[in-house]
Amino acid sequence: GENVEQHPSTLSVQEGDSAVIKCTYSDSASNYFPWYKQELGKRPQLIIDIRSNVGEKKDQRIAVTLNKTAKHFSLHITETQPEDSAVYFCAARGGADGLTFGKGTHLIIQP
Amino acid sequence: EPEVTQTPSHQVTQMGQEVILRCVPISNHLYFYWYRQILGQKVEFLVSFYNNEISEKSEIFDDQFSVERPDGSNFTLKIRSTKLEDSAMYFCASSGRARGETQYFGPGTRLLVL
Repeated sequence: GENVEQHPSTLSVQEGDSAVIKCTYSDSASNYFPWYKQELGKRPQLIIDIRSNVGEKKDQRIAVTLNKTAKHFSLHITETQPEDSAVYFCAARGGADGLTFGKGTHLIIQP
Repeated sequence: EPEVTQTPSHQVTQMGQEVILRCVPISNHLYFYWYRQILGQKVEFLVSFYNNEISEKSEIFDDQFSVERPDGSNFTLKIRSTKLEDSAMYFCASSGRARGETQYFGPGTRLLVL
């Protein structure tokens, strides 16, 4: 089955700086890669996703890049703000229905 | 904006007891899912459900688990005889009318088995 690795487990950045979280996946058939943000005690919220027919997608301060050859994808957050502090999960899905999640990155924005 | 809802928010049960976790998916969605998240760990897929039957299940989803859509709005997860290791946050999710659409998560039910 699919295996998703996510790094780093914790990321601390200064407010206003950029943050990058990286994930790799194992199943070359995977074609959908969402990113979820989870604040403490709350539900995972989709923040951006990318499908395998594109290499990059951007939504305001958030971007995701996908390298299918290397089987990795990354989340980029620019101009970080205190409200960006949360746990971020990457996930992958291939021909099946269920998402395979990474272990999460705890993003800390230092004022 | 419509959201997935789940009840109860917290459930405490004794080992060996049956529990039923309830979810109301987004109203026009056709695909339903259960995931679990053990404290401090990643979210893990349990089962997906479409057209009144299971479409996929993981290794975690053994004979102790079952799912049901008893009416037009609810989607339930039953654990027949709970074990200590079933303690986790259980998330329901739903997605739209075509396979592969975005999955929207509910707020979760925190299950504690004593």
